[in-house]
Amino acid sequence: GENVEQHPSTLSVQEGDSAVIKCTYSDSASNYFPWYKQELGKRPQLIIDIRSNVGEKKDQRIAVTLNKTAKHFSLHITETQPEDSAVYFCARGFGNEKLTFGTGTRLTIIP
Amino acid sequence: NAGVMQNPRHLVRRRGQEARLRCSPMKGHSHVYWYRQLPEEGLKFMVYLQKENIIDESGMPKERFSAEFPKEGPSILRIQQVVRGDSAAYFCASSPRQGLYEQYFGPGTRLTVT
Repeated sequence: GENVEQHPSTLSVQEGDSAVIKCTYSDSASNYFPWYKQELGKRPQLIIDIRSNVGEKKDQRIAVTLNKTAKHFSLHITETQPEDSAVYFCARGFGNEKLTFGTGTRLTIIP
Repeated sequence: NAGVMQNPRHLVRRRGQEARLRCSPMKGHSHVYWYRQLPEEGLKFMVYLQKENIIDESGMPKERFSAEFPKEGPSILRIQQVVRGDSAAYFCASSPRQGLYEQYFGPGTRLTVT
């Protein structure tokens, strides 16, 4: 199927430390893996994405890694700041088709 | 460049009434997706449309729900005879064209059924 499992469901880290969120998927055809950040009452915001022909992508303090063989991908946030506190969703897709989302990780940065 | 627009932002309906949710994609975007988010839950796909075509409606309930994306004007998600279980945030997303996969979300419509 197209299920996506996301862990952990909640994560608290000290400001300045790193946070890692992991997702696994089951559909081998998946070729697109975006990550979204959603603050309370706001829209999901695309923060980084990766395609299946790439193993890692980095944008400033945010990076995503993909292991196609194991069918898992991870979001890494370094030097965390209070404004990183939000719910983060991973997703998988195939081309322009629908996205299947994980269940979300509530990240809290402790000042 | 304006982002994805949705209106209304908040909608209150009584049971049995109809709800119409509108989505204007980003300029130049021809793919529209609707997702539903229940409180404290993730996003669930409902329907994927291109101009005048429904591409995938596998996430739409079989009854009471319909969607369109006409040649002119916004995409519309229509819910007939709303029930309390329809209360949720409905998000629209758009992406540019075939081959570009990024989906950008609108601010959502929060539907409350009383």
